[in-house]
Amino acid sequence: ETGVTQSPTHLIKTRGQQVTLRCSSQSGHNTVSWYQQALGQGPQFIFQYYREEENGRGNFPPRFSGLQFPNYSSELNVNALELDDSALYLCASSSGGWTDTQYFGPGTRLTVL
Amino acid sequence: QQQVKQSPQSLIVQKGGISIINCAYENTAFDYFPWYQQFPGKGPALLIAIRPDVSEKKEGRFTISFNKSAKQFSLHIMDSQPGDSATYFCAASKSQAGTALIFGKGTTLSVSS
Repeated sequence: ETGVTQSPTHLIKTRGQQVTLRCSSQSGHNTVSWYQQALGQGPQFIFQYYREEENGRGNFPPRFSGLQFPNYSSELNVNALELDDSALYLCASSSGGWTDTQYFGPGTRLTVL
Repeated sequence: QQQVKQSPQSLIVQKGGISIINCAYENTAFDYFPWYQQFPGKGPALLIAIRPDVSEKKEGRFTISFNKSAKQFSLHIMDSQPGDSATYFCAASKSQAGTALIFGKGTTLSVSS
């Protein structure tokens, strides 16, 4: 059974640029949630995708957007990067559109200069 | 508004001792309470979880105690080991599609040998 994988591991961008982060969900899981974890803080919910549709969204601006593909992998896109977007971006997978028993990937460390 | 409050922020315990981390929540609609363990540079890993229909759940050296009336729950790590040194996050959610895990701010545990 393959766990949640994310790419890339690290990324450095400059303010105003756009970035795409990728996530492959755990085998058998059809739900992907994205979280932002600032240094020294707990993860904060960005949004969730279930069967290719956005299923819930946290308090993040529209420049944070996502996609889920038929194989349940997912992308997080962030436009017009700001310095405060520097964080660890975590993807978590689960099944059935529910929040229970979410399994996290290793994350992508984004640095915005 | 912080919906899940976690304490202490950091904890130092001797090898073989008991580590106790506490969390309090505000939203009475929460009905799923997991604990996650995170090592530096890694994503959070699900450790143990509880639902409000039981007051305690034990898995190996890890025990969750749950007090519904006080809206509090805690993680007890028995016989703490240096390998347990990590950051621990409590979280809470509703069993409802599209909802998020709401995390506490984390507790950094150091187990000295």
